[in-house]
This record gives sequence, C-alpha cells and structure tokens, in this order.
Amino acid sequence: GNSVTQMEGPVTLSEEAFLTINCTYTATGYPSLFWYVQYPGEGLQLLLKATKADDKGSNKGFEATYRKETTSFHLEKGSVQVSDSAVYFCALLMDTGRRALTFGSGTRLQVQP
Amino acid sequence: GAGVSQSPSNKVTEKGKDVELRCDPISGHTALYWYRQSLGQGLEFLIYFQGNSAPDKSGLPSDRFSAERTGGSVSTLTIQRTQQEDSAVYLCASSSRDSSYEQYFGPGTRLTVT
Repeated sequence: GNSVTQMEGPVTLSEEAFLTINCTYTATGYPSLFWYVQYPGEGLQLLLKATKADDKGSNKGFEATYRKETTSFHLEKGSVQVSDSAVYFCALLMDTGRRALTFGSGTRLQVQP
Repeated sequence: GAGVSQSPSNKVTEKGKDVELRCDPISGHTALYWYRQSLGQGLEFLIYFQGNSAPDKSGLPSDRFSAERTGGSVSTLTIQRTQQEDSAVYLCASSSRDSSYEQYFGPGTRLTVT
C-alpha cells in the first residue's frame, strides 16, 4: 500500500536557523505530494504542494521539491521564526482510486527566540 | 467564503453511548472526507464520499462506525457504543474538481470517551 515516512520530532531550533524536515513516500503510481501544517489549537492547513516530479512547491518561505528518483519531498526553510512552531505533516494523494490523503506521522517543530 | 465547519467542537461521552458528529463542507464541494487524529495512530482516513457514488468505507475501524451524507452536502459520522479507544479528534475535509481536489479541513471535533 501507499505510505509516508517523516522524521521523528520534536525538532527544536533557534530563530533564524535553517530547517529541514525529511519526508519519503512509497506509492504505486505517481502521487501528488503535500505539506500540511497544524498550528497550536488550530486545524490542518495546506502549506504547499507539488503534483509531478521535479515540481517545487513554495509558500511562506517554505519549499519542497518532488524528487521521484529518491521518492522524497523534504520541507525546507532558510530562516525559521517563532511563529513557525507547529506540527508539520507530509501527505500523498493518488489520482486514481481512493482520493483520500495518506499522511505521515507528523513532525513537531519548536522554534526558540 | 465560509470554510468547512464541524460540530460540536468538543464532545465528552460515557463509554457505551452513541455519538453523532456533524460536518458542513464548503458549498459546491462534491467530495467529503472523514479522518481521525489520535495520539497512537496519527492521521487516519475513515470514509470518503464523492458525489452520488457509493462511499468508500474502507477506513472505518469497526462496524460501530457509520457515516452518511444527505443531499450531497452535510455529513454525519455516527459512533455506536463508544469505547475509550475512540477518543480522538475527528476531522472533516471537502474538495472539488475545480480546486484540483485540494482538501480543505474543518477545525475538528474532539471526542473524549470516559
């Protein structure tokens, strides 16, 4: 079946540090890939997405590139802020069959001032 | 415009009781999904409705769980004879072909079974 693997958290960084959260996937076919973010006390929000190989999704300074050869979609940000503290979920969606997201386990990011 | 709404936001119930959770999707969205977020299991798919097609129930954990979608809009997730392991946040999402099936999530219902 399809699956998503994320790095374990929590990840603790100082403000302005570089962020990488690793995400790899297993899928039969060619999924679309997503990063969702859940801020404390809030619902899931789409952060960015990529629908085919070599696409780069970007939003709010975050980026992720769809790498088919390594089946990865790592999330990066050059300079994190305290307000980026949240739980980040990597997810995939197939374009056939069940159109429900398959999520990774989530990675909690804590940014300290 | 209005997003996905869910009610109640919090529900505490006694073990063995039935509960109903409601989801109002974004107007015009043809697809509706229920997920569950729990400490031990992360985010799990439960059920998916698409238009008038038969729902995909393959994620429902037991026959105590059921869901329906009336008139292609509002959905209700029902859990019968609740157990403590049902305690979780239940999330609803909706999507449409116009938005490339990008899923928009509601705030969730936190269910606590005592």
